[in-house]
Amino acid sequence: SAVISQKPSRDICQRGTSLTIQCQVDSQVTMMFWYRQQPGQSLTLIATANQGSEATYESGFVIDKFPISRPNLTFSTLTVSNMSPEDSSIYLCSVETGVAKNIQYFGAGTRLSVL
Amino acid sequence: DAKTTQPNSMESNEEEPVHLPCNHSTISGTDYIHWYRQLPSQGPEYVIHGLTSNVNNRMASLAIAEDRKSSTLILHRATLRDAAVYYCILRTLLNRDDKIIFGKGTRLHILP
Repeated sequence: SAVISQKPSRDICQRGTSLTIQCQVDSQVTMMFWYRQQPGQSLTLIATANQGSEATYESGFVIDKFPISRPNLTFSTLTVSNMSPEDSSIYLCSVETGVAKNIQYFGAGTRLSVL
Repeated sequence: DAKTTQPNSMESNEEEPVHLPCNHSTISGTDYIHWYRQLPSQGPEYVIHGLTSNVNNRMASLAIAEDRKSSTLILHRATLRDAAVYYCILRTLLNRDDKIIFGKGTRLHILP
């Protein structure tokens, strides 16, 4: 298994500002993912964070709005830029270790409220 | 992407077995059936997965139909802590970049 720490666990932000969410894993992992979960909804994949290259974004998500960094095999950040109230969601980081075949482990999430 | 269909919600009494169904009529031969659950205020957690044969682990059992077009997650003795949203997901072996795509899942209510 993998233990994932996300920071912050929650935040309240003003419209037009940006927030960077950190995801730290206790072991080296091949795949890291970022998801969004809007209130009362299921999870939507934002992007795959690739180590050493640009993230791969899903349809409807763009790098300018959600820039992602992955400097090494244990850490990634997601920035929510120029926030609006519509960005109020839970943002979750997940990883796949490659050891447990195709099993993903998730962080507890970052609960973001934008005023 | 192969899709799954689950009931929106189910109810069960505490300490009774729970059978959560999932239909996946377009499943391909290389798709694994995965189940995750999301407890309140937590990220999803892996429950179980299988390919063709029924599977058991400490959390649950997975019964897979012979034609693989449906499966059932079985919680043998539900507790209040099992109240969660359960997601049935197909994952392919063919694509190393395969990602988990979540559907709406089944919200399981446990009655004391």
